[in-house]
Amino acid sequence: NAGVTQTPKFQVLKTGQSMTLQCAQDMNHEYMSWYRQDPGMGLRLIHYSVGAGITDQGEVPNGYNVSRSTTEDFPLRLLSAAPSQTSVYFCASSYRESNEQFFGPGTRLTVL
Amino acid sequence: AQRVTQPEKLLSVFKGAPVELKCNYSYSGSPELFWYVQYSRQRLQLLLRHISRESIKGFTADLNKGETSFHLKKPFAQEEDSAMYYCALSLYGNNRLAFGKGNQVVVIP
Repeated sequence: NAGVTQTPKFQVLKTGQSMTLQCAQDMNHEYMSWYRQDPGMGLRLIHYSVGAGITDQGEVPNGYNVSRSTTEDFPLRLLSAAPSQTSVYFCASSYRESNEQFFGPGTRLTVL
Repeated sequence: AQRVTQPEKLLSVFKGAPVELKCNYSYSGSPELFWYVQYSRQRLQLLLRHISRESIKGFTADLNKGETSFHLKKPFAQEEDSAMYYCALSLYGNNRLAFGKGNQVVVIP
C-alpha cells in the first residue's frame, strides 16, 4: 500500500493563479480531510469528506474548493491564490469506525 | 474558540530527563484525544490515543476528564524524541480533528 499520497511536494504560485493539490489513498478509507499547517497555528481543518460525493467545510474553508468523485481521490482547489494561503497542506484519511487519521507527506505551497 | 491548548511552544530537555507536554481541551461531549508526532521531514503519525491506554516509545498519556487534560509524559527523554508533538481532539466522533498549536521538543545530548 502506498497509503496517502500527495502531489506536488512543492509549488510556487503567483497571486491570482489557480491550482489543484492532489491527494489519493489506497486504503479504501471513507473519510478524507485537508489541513493546513502554519507556524504557531498548528493544523487547521480546511474541508473534509465522509464519503464519495459528500464534502463539508472545516474551520478555514474560504478560498478553497474540494470534490470527492471517488473514494480514492480528494483534490483541493485554490481558485485564486493569495499570499495568505502560503502554507504546508496535509491530506489525511481514516476508516469510518476509527478516528485514527493517516497523513500524506504534505505539499509546501508558496504564493508570491 | 480554541478547543485544544498546548501552552509551551518549545521545550528543551536534556537526554535522560523527564519530559511532559501539557494538553488541555474544551469540549462538552465525550472526548477522544490523540497525540500525533511529526519527526523532521516526515509526515504526521499517530503516537497514541487515550482509548488504547498503551505506552508507545515510552510515552504515556492519561485522560483526566475532571481537569480536561491529556498530558503526554516520558520518564527518560531520548535524542530521537526530538520532534513536533500535536495534541488533537476528535469532534463529535466523526473523524474531524481539532489540533493544538503543537510543541517543538528538542532533546539535548
